[in-house]
Amino acid sequence: GQQLNQSPQSMFIQEGEDVSMNCTSSSIFNTWLWYKQEPGEGPVLLIALYKAGELTSNGRLTAQFGITRKDSFLNISASIPSDVGIYFCAGHSGGYNKLIFGAGTRLAVHP
Amino acid sequence: NAGVTQTPKFRILKIGQSMTLQCTQDMNHNYMYWYRQDPGMGLKLIYYSVGAGITDKGEVPNGYNVSRSTTEDFPLRLELAAPSQTSVYFCASSPQQGDTEAFFGQGTRLTVV
Repeated sequence: GQQLNQSPQSMFIQEGEDVSMNCTSSSIFNTWLWYKQEPGEGPVLLIALYKAGELTSNGRLTAQFGITRKDSFLNISASIPSDVGIYFCAGHSGGYNKLIFGAGTRLAVHP
Repeated sequence: NAGVTQTPKFRILKIGQSMTLQCTQDMNHNYMYWYRQDPGMGLKLIYYSVGAGITDKGEVPNGYNVSRSTTEDFPLRLELAAPSQTSVYFCASSPQQGDTEAFFGQGTRLTVV
């Protein structure tokens, strides 16, 4: 079946640093989504990407839909302590909204 | 706004017991989903529904059943709980086909002992 490889698995950074994480797949996706999950909560959508090459920002977050449609990355600039959480990528290749999730990137931000 | 509401938040089951995880949404979304999240892993789709009366299997349906008698509710049933079903379960909904932005509930943490 379809799989997403998300990296890195975890990151420990200092407040103020920039963060980059990415997802790759052997399959083509029509949509890439980036979610953030905080402890004890469900995932919350951060950014949705619908076209190859699309670059979208949401505050300090920027995500891109890879040209090959097989990858996406998420950047967080000037990290702050509340950025802590697990970031998931998800891909959608059509059909009845069968989202495929990556394993997540755990982000820890030290003040 | 309530959004997607899951109950209970926590539950401990003994092996062989059964239970129903409740999920309700007040956004009039057609699409609803059940995912499970194992420690250190992403979300795996158990079952999904594209509207009242219609359900279909996801990646990991074995040991579960669902029903969708109304637009609002999408309960997940475990008939004979097994330790392998220890996980965090998330219900989600989205408005319509082609709109893939799913909204998640807060999750149900289930432990089977």
